[in-house]
Amino acid sequence: DAGITQSPRYKITETGRQVTLMCHQTWSHSYMFWYRQDLGHGLRLIYYSAAADITDKGEVPDGYVVSRSKTENFPLTLESATRSQTSVYFCASSDPDRLSGANVLTFGAGSRLTVL
Amino acid sequence: DQQVKQNSPSLSVQEGRISILNCDYTNSMFDYFLWYKKYPAEGPTFLISISSIKDKNEDGRFTVFLNKSAKHLSLHIVPSQPGDSAVYFCAAKVSGTYKYIFGTGTRLKVLA
Repeated sequence: DAGITQSPRYKITETGRQVTLMCHQTWSHSYMFWYRQDLGHGLRLIYYSAAADITDKGEVPDGYVVSRSKTENFPLTLESATRSQTSVYFCASSDPDRLSGANVLTFGAGSRLTVL
Repeated sequence: DQQVKQNSPSLSVQEGRISILNCDYTNSMFDYFLWYKKYPAEGPTFLISISSIKDKNEDGRFTVFLNKSAKHLSLHIVPSQPGDSAVYFCAAKVSGTYKYIFGTGTRLKVLA
């Protein structure tokens, strides 16, 4: 199916464990993003990527690692999960908007992560 | 330091009336602004965008206004429908990059 998919949709883990959230898009979009959504903070950018092997830190990168070996995949790894990383994580990819020329982000359905 | 702010966490409007959602920003280096709608357990979906060189953009029931001097963005929904009940996020793209900064969101409830 075309689109952007995230897995797992729900994950419960323990403090100190490594967790990887997967993101896959089928449009061949160049740009991909990871955001986390928390009450009172809205959506905050963790990491983003312009193309394979090109990644940049966002607003809240500490504790996260990303890679982009293929254009369609952008996994997010929590190397040693902490309770403060309990959140809903959204992956997105971007495409130009014909009306305004902006790059419009298309989001996945999200991955809800609970760290106990 | 929140560069994009949505100061109203929630808003209730009667069906058929106008909904106005507001967003303020502090950085003059944004070149595009976007609005997203989010339903529970789903990812945000794109609604409408505006370039920083424009002051208005319309798409059906949705109109976005940009006041650069006030660093203020607003989304008007006319007429409001119960299906519009969702959380709305404004977002700003940093000029010269593909980095998007989002606001904290406003929960809109349209009452039937």
